[in-house]
Amino acid sequence: AQKITQTQPGMFVQEKEAVTLDCTYDTSDQSYGLFWYKQPSSGEMIFLIYQGSYDEQNATEGRYSLNFQKARKSANLVISASQLGDSAMYFCAISPSGYSTLTFGKGTMLLVSP
Amino acid sequence: GAVVSQHPSRVICKSGTSVKIECRSLDFQATTMFWYRQFPKKSLMLMATSNEGSKATYEQGVEKDKFLINHASLTLSTLTVTSAHPEDSSFYICSASSGGPPYEQYFGPGTRLTVT
Repeated sequence: AQKITQTQPGMFVQEKEAVTLDCTYDTSDQSYGLFWYKQPSSGEMIFLIYQGSYDEQNATEGRYSLNFQKARKSANLVISASQLGDSAMYFCAISPSGYSTLTFGKGTMLLVSP
Repeated sequence: GAVVSQHPSRVICKSGTSVKIECRSLDFQATTMFWYRQFPKKSLMLMATSNEGSKATYEQGVEKDKFLINHASLTLSTLTVTSAHPEDSSFYICSASSGGPPYEQYFGPGTRLTVT
């Protein structure tokens, strides 16, 4: 069984600042993948970043980076230089490698203020 | 990136009627499609997983006779909510995967169902 815990129901950040969204996970699988998705008010799930459990380097995609600490079972999302358009719900998810099934956390609502 | 469409985006139906939601992968072959349900301000709840040409696998607590899923081709899956009731009102999201690495799921834009 897999589980994702996102302890921050809501986060506030000012425009142009960096913000870290927390995610911890629990899994019995040796190989797995970690994902972050953004869901704006429109409802669409937008893929942001992926980290494989055996990837040696932290994943980065533009302003998004994933702070992967395997021993602590954490996969925090870091958004640099926040923009107003970053205001959305953010979900962390895990899947066993070789399968597509995703288990989502409860999400963190991020609000970016001018 | 890969594109998944859903139709309709919004639907209002009367209690007791059935409604069909389509999920299409537009530029790749989706061997696996997933259907999620999301309540307001809540996370996505997986309802079922469907593989092309075989019966869907439903999550515990999801009524398979109420939520009929068909994955007849590599680009189309449908979810039919039968004999809809107001408590079925929700946001339904599909996703699709090619079944190969990196096993990423591509999500549709979602369908908001309101049962009156």
